Order: sequence, then C-alpha cells, then structure tokens
Amino acid sequence: DQQVKQNSPSLSVQEGRISILNCDYTNSMFDYFLWYKKYPAEGPTFLISISSIKDKNEDGRFTVFLNKSAKHLSLHIVPSQPGDSAVYFCAADTQGSNYKLTFGKGTLLTVNP
Amino acid sequence: DTAVSQTPKYLVTQMGNDKSIKCEQNLGHDTMYWYKQDSKKFLKIMFSYNNKELIINETVPNRFSPKSPDKAHLNLHINSLELGDSAVYFCASSIQETQYFGPGTRLLVL
Repeated sequence: DQQVKQNSPSLSVQEGRISILNCDYTNSMFDYFLWYKKYPAEGPTFLISISSIKDKNEDGRFTVFLNKSAKHLSLHIVPSQPGDSAVYFCAADTQGSNYKLTFGKGTLLTVNP
Repeated sequence: DTAVSQTPKYLVTQMGNDKSIKCEQNLGHDTMYWYKQDSKKFLKIMFSYNNKELIINETVPNRFSPKSPDKAHLNLHINSLELGDSAVYFCASSIQETQYFGPGTRLLVL
C-alpha cells in the first residue's frame, strides 16, 4: 500500500529549463512534506520541505508547491543544472508519528548539458 | 567532519552469519533511525531511537536488533542473515522532521 507515489520513474530535461517532479499521496493525515535528493552511492540529502498550512515554499532555485485538495505536491527546479541530476524522493510525515517519514519510490532526474 | 557516518560501507557475507552495522552522528540530534532500501528502491523505516529509547519499531524480523549505547550512536545487529536481507541500510538522525542520512551500508548476503 503505497501512501506516497512518484509515478514518473525518470525525467529528462535540458540545462537551463524547468524541471518539475511530481508526488501524490493518499493519507490525508500527512501534514509535512519533504524532498530529498540522492546521488549514486550516497545517502539522501534534504532539499526542501513544506508544512500543510502553506501551499508554496521557495529556496533559491527550488520551489515546492502543495495542493492539499488534490493530495499532490511538486518540486520545481529553475533553472536546471547538470549537477541536479540525481534521484529525488518525496517524503511525508504525520504530526505525532515520531517523525516516521513515508517515502516515495523516487524519480531519476537527468539534466542534459 | 562527517555528520552521519556508517561503517562498514560494504558488507558481503554468507547466509546464516551474524553481522553488525555501526552508525554515529555528530550533529547533536536526539533521534536516530535505521532505514532499509530494497531492490525496488523503496526507503522504509525500520527503527527509531530518541535519547536511547526505542520509539519506532516497524514490522521487522526479530533477527534485527538495534542498540543505542548513547544518543550519538545507533548500531544494527542482524542475526542469521538471509538472502532477502540484501539491501542498502541507511542510518539517519534528526531534530524534528528533517532527517540527515548517512552514506549507506550495502549488504550482500550470498
């Protein structure tokens, strides 16, 4: 039972263009969402997060949008750079869960020079 | 000045053996975790400790036993290793929701 779904296993974009990574969730109790980036043979690295009381959070080139009614969030990377090529994981948390994150399966982003 | 470190990075062993993976964090976080990333690439939480106290224990075979000697360390001991235990195991630590991961231990059971 996948509560966090990343339906696109991979995405390829040109350098300088926008990358949009999508994530859907089914558990309406989730109230905090995070994006992690993972390079091969390394651990996931925290990228950006958003609380369910917001619909947008921005940090430099990275913006996360949350649509609670659609149970959907997306990560926008503008402009995309070759160094952004990695696997991106969406994760969700519920208040009171002792910070038990539920992860999606990840999307491999490739940014072509 | 590695934040979350794990040893060993690679572990190849025979079925039936017992092995341990060590994790240390120097971030001063109170909470530490063990995750398993299986062949389907899902990252699933196994255990979580807060100040040496077990607070999350997912449905994991009791061959897996975490031990936290202090809040900076969380080790994972695995008894009677099975083929299906082959995976990448990640340690993490956190202050509130944001978790910081170690580099992973790639376990291969032959």
